[in-house]
Amino acid sequence: QSALTQPASVSGSPGQSITISCTGTSSDVGSYNLVSWYQQHPGKAPKLMIYEVSKRPSGVSNRFSGSKSGNTASLTISGLQAEDEADYYCCSYAGSSTLWVFGGGTKLTVL
Amino acid sequence: EVQLVESGGGLVQPGGSLRLSCAASGFTFSSYDMHWVRQATGKGLEWVSAIGTAGDPYYPGSVKGRFTISRENAKNSLYLQMNSLRAGDTAVYYCARGLDYMDVWGKGTTVTVSS
Repeated sequence: QSALTQPASVSGSPGQSITISCTGTSSDVGSYNLVSWYQQHPGKAPKLMIYEVSKRPSGVSNRFSGSKSGNTASLTISGLQAEDEADYYCCSYAGSSTLWVFGGGTKLTVL
Repeated sequence: EVQLVESGGGLVQPGGSLRLSCAASGFTFSSYDMHWVRQATGKGLEWVSAIGTAGDPYYPGSVKGRFTISRENAKNSLYLQMNSLRAGDTAVYYCARGLDYMDVWGKGTTVTVSS
């Protein structure tokens, strides 16, 4: 069982918006603004999409945004495109004992 | 071009050892924390270890005492020594760059633990 809880799957039609949740605890997501999100296409390495809750790396589309409320972080993808279909993972710092924890991943299907 | 290239994966028997390497290029390796992250087939990502710029290592409980992370800045290289391997360690192992997030990832090397 993963330390952070994500829905196993979400889906949306092209042009729509979807949100993926990532629920942790007061020891990880709730305590630190160090949540990041990764996109992974089949057979490929993960790619950083969001860091420090809501910041976008250079080159990542502004259709991707992140937020956090309490112990839950969220990734929103607006204007869904076919190439957004992938697995998405959240990750949070969890303190000096555990350090880093990932979510179980969410498979995004673009209908 | 910023790049990370893993090597050293392979088939090993339960209880055996393996040493993974990660060659970095295109950035000042010594200035970055580095991570190892693994992914079993069809499963999610799991953080395996990290090392700070000063060589300070960090591990989750699942590998502590069995895995050792190290770095050789003069060779722009990161290593993961894995001992007492178990079937559950079978995965693709990625090295990744970063402090508060992992912004560059290698393509991974596959470790299979089986008799």
